[in-house]
Amino acid sequence: GNSVTQMEGPVTLSEEAFLTINCTYTATGYPSLFWYVQYPGEGLQLLLKATKADDKGSNKGFEATYRKETTSFHLEKGSVQVSDSAVYFCALSSKTSYDKVIFGPGTSLSVIP
Amino acid sequence: KAGVTQTPRYLIKTRGQQVTLSCSPISGHRSVSWYQQTPGQGLQFLFEYFSETQRNKGNFPGRFSGRQFSNSRSEMNVSTLELGDSALYLCASSLTGTERAYEQYFGPGTRLTVT
Repeated sequence: GNSVTQMEGPVTLSEEAFLTINCTYTATGYPSLFWYVQYPGEGLQLLLKATKADDKGSNKGFEATYRKETTSFHLEKGSVQVSDSAVYFCALSSKTSYDKVIFGPGTSLSVIP
Repeated sequence: KAGVTQTPRYLIKTRGQQVTLSCSPISGHRSVSWYQQTPGQGLQFLFEYFSETQRNKGNFPGRFSGRQFSNSRSEMNVSTLELGDSALYLCASSLTGTERAYEQYFGPGTRLTVT
């Protein structure tokens, strides 16, 4: 079945450091890929998405490129801020998963001043 | 446009009791999904409702049930509560759930504690 794997962390970075959170997926067909972010005490928010191969999703300085050849959708940000401290979830949806969204385990990020 | 709202935000129940959680989706959204989030199991899909019909279901026992009303509001019910049901229950809505980019909008969740 479809699945999402991501580094679980926790990841601790200094402010202005470069961030990469790896995400790989297993799916048949052509899934849509997402990154969601969950700030402490809140629900999930959609951060960015990509719907086809080589698409790049971007938002708030975060980027991720849909790589079908490596089945990956790694999240990157050039310079993190303390306010980026949160849990990040990689997710996919596809017709073969009956349109359900399948989430990875989440990666906790702490950014220290 | 108002976001997804969930009530109550916090709930404490005793083992054996039952509980009902409520979710109001974004206006115009017809699909509502429910998730259970725990530190050990992460985000687990419970079920999805669309136009008052359950369209998808995760791997949870029959103690977990839900329904959707004609105005798209949804409730989930857990009967005979167990300690392991303590979790954050998240509701998410989307327009129809059939568009390829299945973009969901989440509520803040209901924190259920079972003692």
